[in-house]
Amino acid sequence: DQQVKQNSPSLSVQEGRISILNCDYTNSMFDYFLWYKKYPAEGPTFLISISSIKDKNEDGRFTVFLNKSAKHLSLHIVPSQPGDSAVYFCAARDFGNEKLTFGTGTRLTIIP
Amino acid sequence: GAVVSQHPSRVICKSGTSVKIECRSLDFQATTMFWYRQFPKQSLMLMATSNEGSKATYEQGVEKDKFLINHASLTLSTLTVTSAHPEDSSFYICSAMELAVTYEQYFGPGTRLTVT
Repeated sequence: DQQVKQNSPSLSVQEGRISILNCDYTNSMFDYFLWYKKYPAEGPTFLISISSIKDKNEDGRFTVFLNKSAKHLSLHIVPSQPGDSAVYFCAARDFGNEKLTFGTGTRLTIIP
Repeated sequence: GAVVSQHPSRVICKSGTSVKIECRSLDFQATTMFWYRQFPKQSLMLMATSNEGSKATYEQGVEKDKFLINHASLTLSTLTVTSAHPEDSSFYICSAMELAVTYEQYFGPGTRLTVT
């Protein structure tokens, strides 16, 4: 039972344009969401997070949007840079539970 | 800050042997550490949660006798894959959390285990 889904396994975006990565979840108890970036043979690195009481959080080139009614979140990267090429995982946590549930990941390729 | 290391980064072992992987929080005390496993092109699957000084909590379907976890100090957790078989070959990643400060998990760089 995949509670966090990233339906696009891969995405290619031209350098300088906007990258939009999507994530859907099924567990309505999730109240905190995170995005991680991962290079091959390395651990994930934290990018940005959002609490369920917000619908948007911005940090530099990265913005996360949360639509609770649709159980959907997205990560916007603008402008996209070649160094953004990696696998991006969304993750979710429910209140009072320290465990993270990860999505299946989206491989983002930025085309120079 | 918030650096987590793993050792070794890569290990190749023969079928039937045991392998120990270490996870260390270098600049903070980790009250809780997590062990994940990632198969190629798949998600990170949580294997177990370990709290310092107590027994690890394993996720459903993870054999506790096969994957021994010890969280003996606030900066070190170990995962021992006992009697390893080729199907145990995977990328193992740990993360550490400083519970009293933040719920953020800081991930180690991972360990590639290959069982021949």
